[in-house]
Formats: sequence, structure tokens, C-alpha cells
Amino acid sequence: DIQMTQSPSTLSASAGDRVTITCRASQSINGWLAWYQQKPGKAPKLLMYRASTLESGVPSRFSGGGSGTEFTLTISSLQPDDFATYHCQQYSRPPWTFGQGTKVEIK
Amino acid sequence: QLQLQESGPGLVKPSETLSLTCSVSGGSIGSGNYYWGWVRQPPGKSLEWIGTIQSSGSTYYSPSLQSRVTLSVDTSRNQFSLKLTSVTAADTAVYYCARLDFTRYFDLWGRGTLVTVSS
Repeated sequence: DIQMTQSPSTLSASAGDRVTITCRASQSINGWLAWYQQKPGKAPKLLMYRASTLESGVPSRFSGGGSGTEFTLTISSLQPDDFATYHCQQYSRPPWTFGQGTKVEIK
Repeated sequence: QLQLQESGPGLVKPSETLSLTCSVSGGSIGSGNYYWGWVRQPPGKSLEWIGTIQSSGSTYYSPSLQSRVTLSVDTSRNQFSLKLTSVTAADTAVYYCARLDFTRYFDLWGRGTLVTVSS
């Protein structure tokens, strides 16, 4: 199985901050990476796929990058609605696997 | 707008079978180049893919659960279902049904349903 490791596990930030979350795969996944946002008690919501393609309706302050085994999710200016947990998922090779999640909390 | 909704018992006894159904509304489960699947999330933990099914009935299972999982689809009812046998407390989780793009990321999710395994 491809292991996905996110860092940090928790990120404390203030509104307006630029934040970056990293997701590392245990082997190359050729850009087949998705990012999801999850709020407490809610289902995950797709933010991005193919590492850097924004899902329709997702604000442009979210951006993704990376290749091979290392990927990033950046929020250019954190908004109150962005405090949530973020998950990465590889879909290069089954079984599809997720990172452990990064919680973005209010500083 | 397509919506997914999970249904089924919220409490299952150890060693019994967990059965959930996902009802799809606002569109046909057989249209488009999509797959349909299940993901679970134990309390306080991350997400785990369980399995995926196509409207044709072709299935793909996580190796870690393959011996206990069966997915099925009923296109006439616009539903797909999950059965997980011989459950233990470790199977306690929120279970989500979801739609997958043909490349296999999850682009639409149900609200999720908590299933607790306890006697």
C-alpha cells in the first residue's frame, strides 16, 4: 500500500495568515493526489484533484502543488471558514489511501 | 443536484453483519463515467477506503477488508449497498458513501452515518 503522511498534524494560525500543509507519499504517485476539507461532524469536501486542479466553486485562495512524492496545499489568506481538518488522498494505485489529516486551528 | 444519503442500523452486535445502503437522488447511478464507493472514519481517526463498485456491478475492495466486504448495486432503485461481516468494535466508525470520478478521487459525499459495534 502507498502510505500518505501529512505534516504538520496540527497547525495554529490566525485569519489572514498564509498556511501550507505538506503531504508525502511513500512512493511516486505521479500527481494523482486529491485534497479534502472536513469540518467537525461533516463529510469531507473535495477541494482539489490532480494535485493542483481546483474543484468548481472552491475559492482561489486555495492552491496545490508538488510532484512525485511531495505535495502541498496552500491557503493564501486564511479565512474564518477555513478552520477545519484537511486530508490528502492518493489515487495512483489501489488501495486508495488517505493521509492522517491536518487540523488547522485558530491561534 | 446529485445527492447521496446513507441509511441503515446505527448499532450492530459483535460478530454480526453491518449493512448500509446509499440512495442516490438528483441523477442516475448508471449515467456518466463514475464509480460509487464507501469510506469509513473511526472516531477521532482518519479516512479509510472500503470498496468501490461500478453500475455494471464490477467491484474493487480494500485488501485489508476484502474477506469481509461485499458491495452491490441496484440500478432500478438508484442505490448501492455495503455489507461487512463478522464486525468487531474496531469497525465502529462513521461510514460515508461517495461518488468517485473515473480517475478515482471522491468528488461527492453523503453526510455519513455512525455505526457502533456493541453488545
